[in-house]
Amino acid sequence: GAVVSQHPSRVICKSGTSVKIECRSLDFQATTMFWYRQFPKQSLMLMATSNEGSKATYEQGVEKDKFLINHASLTLSTLTVTSAHPEDSSFYICSARDTGRGEEKLFFGSGTQLSVL
Amino acid sequence: EDQVTQSPEALRLQEGESSSLNCSYTVSGLRGLFWYRQDPGKGPEFLFTLYSAGEEKEKERLKATLTKKESFLHITAPKPEDSATYLCAGGSGNTPLVFGKGTRLSVIA
Repeated sequence: GAVVSQHPSRVICKSGTSVKIECRSLDFQATTMFWYRQFPKQSLMLMATSNEGSKATYEQGVEKDKFLINHASLTLSTLTVTSAHPEDSSFYICSARDTGRGEEKLFFGSGTQLSVL
Repeated sequence: EDQVTQSPEALRLQEGESSSLNCSYTVSGLRGLFWYRQDPGKGPEFLFTLYSAGEEKEKERLKATLTKKESFLHITAPKPEDSATYLCAGGSGNTPLVFGKGTRLSVIA
């Protein structure tokens, strides 16, 4: 079964509104989670690294005031797209790193398709 | 700068026609080479982690191998349900993984 839960799976919103996406690790503690963005037929583009109890690290070109990340616990990270515009429409995916199983695995959520009208 | 390059970009196979997907990487101090499967509209699903040259891992019809410069994902006698995008990623130190653009595999019955 899924070990990383992401909600919602799909959201449609009006331009100017804010959207919050949740990412939970279900059976392991994740001190580090990652947020990606993916355009159709393209690979994953890392947006930011979310660290529990500290500020997120954003990749170059990603607006931190636009994409707010909060990692308040070892099992939950949230991404809030503030004042969303049509160009923010994309597929957003979170992932969590699990190093407690004898080998490193990066598990992904099921993704959130955001459509901004 | 770490880079991961996958080829081919797309691959169309007949059911039962075995083939290999390639992942070339330039990652200094590689801590692991990862393979994922992604279905449309879904998040990537973990397949394998390879750590050192010469290592091989298998899962059903898939086998992943690793050399010092590249990794291969071998698909033996594929079935239509193997159709998906296969992603390769590499990581060094404690940095986030760098992903390739993927290979879109279509298996035709």
